[in-house]
Amino acid sequence: DGGITQSPKYLFRKEGQNVTLSCEQNLNHDAMYWYRQDPGQGLRLIYYSHIVNDFQKGDIAEGYSVSREKKESFPLTVTSAQKNPTAFYLCASSLTSPPGELFFGEGSRLTVL
Amino acid sequence: GEDVEQSLFLSVREGDSSVINCTYTDSSSTYLYWYKQEPGAGLQLLTYIFSNMDMKQDQRLTVLLNKKDKHLSLRIADTQTGDSAIYFCAESPADYSGYNKLIFGAGTRLAVHP
Repeated sequence: DGGITQSPKYLFRKEGQNVTLSCEQNLNHDAMYWYRQDPGQGLRLIYYSHIVNDFQKGDIAEGYSVSREKKESFPLTVTSAQKNPTAFYLCASSLTSPPGELFFGEGSRLTVL
Repeated sequence: GEDVEQSLFLSVREGDSSVINCTYTDSSSTYLYWYKQEPGAGLQLLTYIFSNMDMKQDQRLTVLLNKKDKHLSLRIADTQTGDSAIYFCAESPADYSGYNKLIFGAGTRLAVHP
């Protein structure tokens, strides 16, 4: 079945360590996104990509990095520069034509100890 | 600036109708969406409405759009315990360039009790 797979589902990290979250989709979507979700808040956009080897910063890109070497994959690295990395991270993808609704993965919960 | 606001909590009795409300600021939004999130999971698209429509119905779901007041609502008829979840309203800014940078509200937690 087509969908978006995020891994790992749960991740623990010590302060000062970088960690990479995986996102893979087999929906043949061109656009991919990373959102961060904190309790009681809406989703905030970290990075997005329209095409392979191209991506743009979202509203809260500081302390994060991404790559888009393949259409199917859009990994997110949470670096040690991210001041408050404990959160639920959601990857999504969409077609680039309207209505362009987002399809989400199941999320990755990162906890910094 | 762009902002989407929702009330944070709604409690209803099983079998009653639920109405979740949302206000948005970007009057040029072309599409507005409702997503559902169950505990520990990703978001699932429930429905969306194009900005030139006033209403859209899909089985137990009815979406009403008041563009003048920038108000969107989601009505769930015959609410069941399986409807307990967080519901997110989202708008799609008009500068659509192939990226659908949705603006999400904080989510309304719907609790359904017997």
